[in-house]
Amino acid sequence: DTGVSQDPRHKITKRGQNVTFRCDPISEHNRLYWYRQTLGQGPEFLTYFQNEAQLEKSRLLSDRFSAERPKGSFSTLEIQRTEQGDSAMYLCASSFAGGGEQYFGPGTRLTVT
Amino acid sequence: GDSVTQMEGPVTLSEEAFLTINCTYTATGYPSLFWYVQYPGEGLQLLLKATKADDKGSNKGFEATYRKETTSFHLEKGSVQVSDSAVYFCALSENNNDMRFGAGTRLTVKP
Repeated sequence: DTGVSQDPRHKITKRGQNVTFRCDPISEHNRLYWYRQTLGQGPEFLTYFQNEAQLEKSRLLSDRFSAERPKGSFSTLEIQRTEQGDSAMYLCASSFAGGGEQYFGPGTRLTVT
Repeated sequence: GDSVTQMEGPVTLSEEAFLTINCTYTATGYPSLFWYVQYPGEGLQLLLKATKADDKGSNKGFEATYRKETTSFHLEKGSVQVSDSAVYFCALSENNNDMRFGAGTRLTVKP
């Protein structure tokens, strides 16, 4: 099966450290999305790429957050100088351009201590 | 901006009961509407979708009808099973870009 995969599944870090997450989308999909989900809430959109171009960024994506998709395949999401408020599940999804339907990965759970 | 409001949970039902989870939306245009489900310990899975007014999405006995006049997309199932216990999210996507989710409704079905 070639579903969306994310790595790592869990990450515990100390406040102030940098962390990087990876997402591998479904190979035929040219869109890739990042979302953040906190306990008891629905996912909140962070950013999305079409191929290697980052087309939209949410206001939630502070300057400590950066996402890349250098070759239009996998993507990385980096959080610099982590804060306790960054603790959340980070979800990646992919879709065809214009397809609407997004397929989600299992998420990376970040805990900042 | 676009938003989704869904019925607060948790919802607890007995097996074979009728399920309704309400979802209403606010959008400037004509969004596509979705229901996603998250089973315990698993990722989000698409349950059903509808892309235009009066469309009915259905899957696994669940149904939802896109009602433009009431800006609603309520999820229904005639007879729930224990295996339907999960968190259900209503979502919209306008112009097939980012997706806006509701807060989720936790359903527990007891035997």
